[in-house]
Amino acid sequence: AQSVTQLDSHVSVSEGTPVLLRCNYSSSYSPSLFWYVQHPNKGLQLLLKYTSAATLVKGINGFEAEFKKSETSFHLTKPSAHMSDAAEYFCVVRLNDYKLSFGAGTTVTVRA
Amino acid sequence: DAGVTQSPTHLIKTRGQHVTLRCSPISGHKSVSWYQQVLGQGPQFIFQYYEKEERGRGNFPDRFSARQFPNYSSELNVNALLLGDSALYLCASSLAGLIRFQETQYFGPGTRLLVL
Repeated sequence: AQSVTQLDSHVSVSEGTPVLLRCNYSSSYSPSLFWYVQHPNKGLQLLLKYTSAATLVKGINGFEAEFKKSETSFHLTKPSAHMSDAAEYFCVVRLNDYKLSFGAGTTVTVRA
Repeated sequence: DAGVTQSPTHLIKTRGQHVTLRCSPISGHKSVSWYQQVLGQGPQFIFQYYEKEERGRGNFPDRFSARQFPNYSSELNVNALLLGDSALYLCASSLAGLIRFQETQYFGPGTRLLVL
């Protein structure tokens, strides 16, 4: 069965410093992976997705993620955090044609 | 263009009651998926509908049901509410619901249900 594990439940960074959110996946074949962000009282927004093309995926708002098959990881990074990046982030794997499976989420706080 | 809309935004019910949540997909999208997000957890898949037919169901009891209308809007119904049904219920729409073909699911803001 496919699943994702987010290794950090909470990450705190200073504004202007790098952000790293860690995600490991388990899959019997090449997965489709996503990162979604959820701001308070707003819907989930797709940041980026990996679908077996380039292993380094660039998303919106300066985020990117690298698919590493040897490490079964799909970590999300951003070079410089902004206050508006404070939110909940979910690593997601496609289970079948129509079903997504979400990780438990990582809460990001940004210190001024 | 309007995104996915859901109503109501908040709802308070008591145990044993019934609730209906509504979702309007993005114009042109024919597929609607429902997810339950309990506080502190990631969303869990409940249903997907495409062209008014149920395409898939997650591990939820029969108290949960849904339907999709000719205009592609959808309702999620929950009977005999339990305290554990308290959650944020999210609706997502996509063109045909086929993530395998790299479709993106667009999520609404959700309906927050509190069961007392």
